[in-house]
Amino acid sequence: AQSVSQHNHHVILSEAASLELGCNYSYGGTVNLFWYVQYPGQHLQLLLKYFSGDPLVKGIKGFEAEFIKSKFSFNLRKPSVQWSDTAEYFCAVNRMNSGYSTLTFGKGTMLLVSP
Amino acid sequence: KAGVTQTPRYLIKTRGQQVTLSCSPISGHRSVSWYQQTPGQGLQFLFEYFSETQRNKGNFPGRFSGRQFSNSRSEMNVSTLELGDSALYLCASSPGQGVAFRETQYFGPGTRLLVL
Repeated sequence: AQSVSQHNHHVILSEAASLELGCNYSYGGTVNLFWYVQYPGQHLQLLLKYFSGDPLVKGIKGFEAEFIKSKFSFNLRKPSVQWSDTAEYFCAVNRMNSGYSTLTFGKGTMLLVSP
Repeated sequence: KAGVTQTPRYLIKTRGQQVTLSCSPISGHRSVSWYQQTPGQGLQFLFEYFSETQRNKGNFPGRFSGRQFSNSRSEMNVSTLELGDSALYLCASSPGQGVAFRETQYFGPGTRLLVL
């Protein structure tokens, strides 16, 4: 089945550690890729998105992601995490042949950053 | 611009009842999508509305329905509630001005539904 996979359900890091969250999708063809974040008690917010062009995209709060088409991956990275990055992170894919504004989400990765 | 708003924020119902949730998109946005978020299944697509028409539907039973009004506001309805319907229901809006799959969806805070 076509899906979006996030490799880690839970990640625990200390402040200043580097972060990489994996995301793989199984769709062929053209896709648009997103990372959303859900801070505790807050709504889902867009971190960054990839539509086309430079496969390395930068988002808010120092996050970046790299689209590797050959690996069907869109991993999220941050060089140095902060306690305030504690949140749940969702990778999402929108497929061109869907014709609609429909996102398929991964199951999410809960990131806990200890001070 | 004001963000996506959803009402009510919290709701408690009992099995067998029905419920209606409301969503107001960002001003000017014409596409509204609904998602169900649960700890076990994550975020799952329910349906999308554009210009008062359901444009796409996820894999949910017919108890889940929705509609969109001429001002782009949307409602979703769940009839004959089951315990498993307890979830956070998220509404998202997008401009609906261009190629649908290239648009970014902006999410509301959600309505947390508890079915007892």
